[in-house]
Formats: sequence, C-alpha cells, structure tokens
Amino acid sequence: DQQVKQNSPSLSVQEGRISILNCDYTNSMFDYFLWYKKYPAEGPTFLISISSIKDKNEDGRFTVFLNKSAKHLSLHIVPSQPGDSAVYFCAATPINNNDMRFGAGTRLTVKP
Amino acid sequence: ETGVTQSPTHLIKTRGQQVTLRCSSQSGHNTVSWYQQALGQGPQFIFQYYREEENGRGNFPPRFSGLQFPNYSSELNVNALELDDSALYLCASSLSGRAVNEQFFGPGTRLTVL
Repeated sequence: DQQVKQNSPSLSVQEGRISILNCDYTNSMFDYFLWYKKYPAEGPTFLISISSIKDKNEDGRFTVFLNKSAKHLSLHIVPSQPGDSAVYFCAATPINNNDMRFGAGTRLTVKP
Repeated sequence: ETGVTQSPTHLIKTRGQQVTLRCSSQSGHNTVSWYQQALGQGPQFIFQYYREEENGRGNFPPRFSGLQFPNYSSELNVNALELDDSALYLCASSLSGRAVNEQFFGPGTRLTVL
C-alpha cells in the first residue's frame, strides 16, 4: 500500500528558478514528515523535516509546506542550483513509530 | 567521525541461498534501521535495532532477520532468497530509536538474485 506518493517521477528547472516538489499521503496517523536527497551511488541524506503542528519550515534555500487537510506537502528550493540535481524522497511517520514510509522519489534536474 | 558504511557493495546470489549484509553505524549512534529499495521505488522499512533489540518491524516475512552487536554495528540476514529480493539494501543509523532523530544512511548494498 502506497501511503506516501510522489506523482512526478521527474522535474526539470532552470538554474535560479524555483523548484517545487510535491508529495501526498493517505495515512492520517502520520505526524512527522521529512525530505531526503539522494545522489547516485550514495545513500539518502536528510534535507529538512516538519512536524504536523507546523505548516511551514524553512532552512536556507529549502522550505517545506504542510497542508494537513489536503494531506499534501511540498518542498520549495529557491533559487535552484545545478548541485541540487538529485532524486528527492518524501517520507512520513507517526512520531512514536519507527516505520517510516517513503515515496518513490522525484528526480530533479537543474539546468545551468 | 566516520559515516555509515556497508559491506559488501554488490552481491550476486541464486534463488534459495542465504545472504548476510553488514552495516557499521556512525560513531555515537545506537540505532540502526534497514531498508529495501527496489528499482524505481522509495526505501521500504524492514526493521530497526535499538541497543541490540529489535525496535519495530515493517511488512517483511520472518526470513528477513537481523542482529545488532554491542558496538552497534548490525547485520541483515535473508534466508531462502527469492528473485524479488533483488534490490538496494540501505542501512541508516541514528541516535535513539525515535523517528524525529535524523537518520544517516550508508551507500547501500546492491543484491541481485538470479
């Protein structure tokens, strides 16, 4: 059962523009959400997270927005840089549980 | 401070065989989680070990088992390999078993079952 969905397998943006990666979830028990970035031949690396008591969390060029009523979150990268080209995974978990569910990932390509 | 390491990098086995994958956690971390990532999909949680005890398990059959050692390194064992077990196996270490704590992933072991 895919409880976390990333419906866009790929996204291409121009350097300097905004990248918006989307993620939907179905399980209302999820209360902690994370984004990971993965380069080829490396493990995923943590990027940013948000708990369900917030609707926005910002860290430098990265901002995550959470819309609980729509069960939707998004990652905004502004401005996008070529080094941001990677696969981005959305993940979700209940805060007191270790069973973290990942989406299938979105491959972001930032063109110079 | 060393990061998470996994061995071997690649492995080829045949159906029905058994395999052991290894993971060394980041220095100071007492929790290791294992994930299976099939081609084109996100990582799927297999189980987690916290202070040498299993601390949560995903929807995987009992032929997937694990161990954590006193130095917090860990093994994933898979018995009676099936073709569908072909995947990238990732381990991640963290400080304590709570999901809110940042997990650090290793580069993975690519398992191919023929």
